[in-house]
Amino acid sequence: TQLLEQSPQFLSIQEGENLTVYCNSSSVFSSLQWYRQEPGEGPVLLVTVVTGGEVKKLKRLTFQFGDARKDSSLHITAAQTGDTGLYLCAGSSYNTDKLIFGTGTRLQVFP
Amino acid sequence: GAGVSQSPSNKVTEKGKDVELRCDPISGHTALYWYRQSLGQGLEFLIYFQGNSAPDKSGLPSDRFSAERTGGSVSTLTIQRTQQEDSAVYLCASRQGLAGRATGELFFGEGSRLTVL
Repeated sequence: TQLLEQSPQFLSIQEGENLTVYCNSSSVFSSLQWYRQEPGEGPVLLVTVVTGGEVKKLKRLTFQFGDARKDSSLHITAAQTGDTGLYLCAGSSYNTDKLIFGTGTRLQVFP
Repeated sequence: GAGVSQSPSNKVTEKGKDVELRCDPISGHTALYWYRQSLGQGLEFLIYFQGNSAPDKSGLPSDRFSAERTGGSVSTLTIQRTQQEDSAVYLCASRQGLAGRATGELFFGEGSRLTVL
């Protein structure tokens, strides 16, 4: 069974601080996505990474896919209150359309 | 429609009753997914469809759960003899899918919140 473990589970920080969320698995994934979910809504895609070692930047967010394609990280620089939400990683294996989601990291950014 | 539509948005039922949850995906999206989310936790995979076929039903928690998709469009998730532990938000998502190349964005509906009393 494929599992994606995220850490930390909860994160409460003040505006301006930096943070990193981790997504780890013992399985190899062909691609990995990060989503953000706000209360009462469905998750929304932030990024897709497909190459081992790949780094993608989206404004203040930096995403990295591990060299072995088993893990990923999301780093947020100078967090803002608008970053508050549930962050979810999701992985796909080769030759399948099945997408497995991680356990989630709930981020709260205070002014 | 413009987005993924789910109905009902809220459903309260008594233990032992059957419920049907509906998902209307984005037009043209061949892949459709069902997930379950409890108390704002991560998403638990239930089943996905490629067209009308379900290549992977491994996430269905028990034989009380079933799903079908007709015409490559609307999908229905049915839960028979509901139990209290079935209470959760059921999320549906769709994407354009080339089979075996699952890198496209998943578009989610707002979910159906099920409460079993």
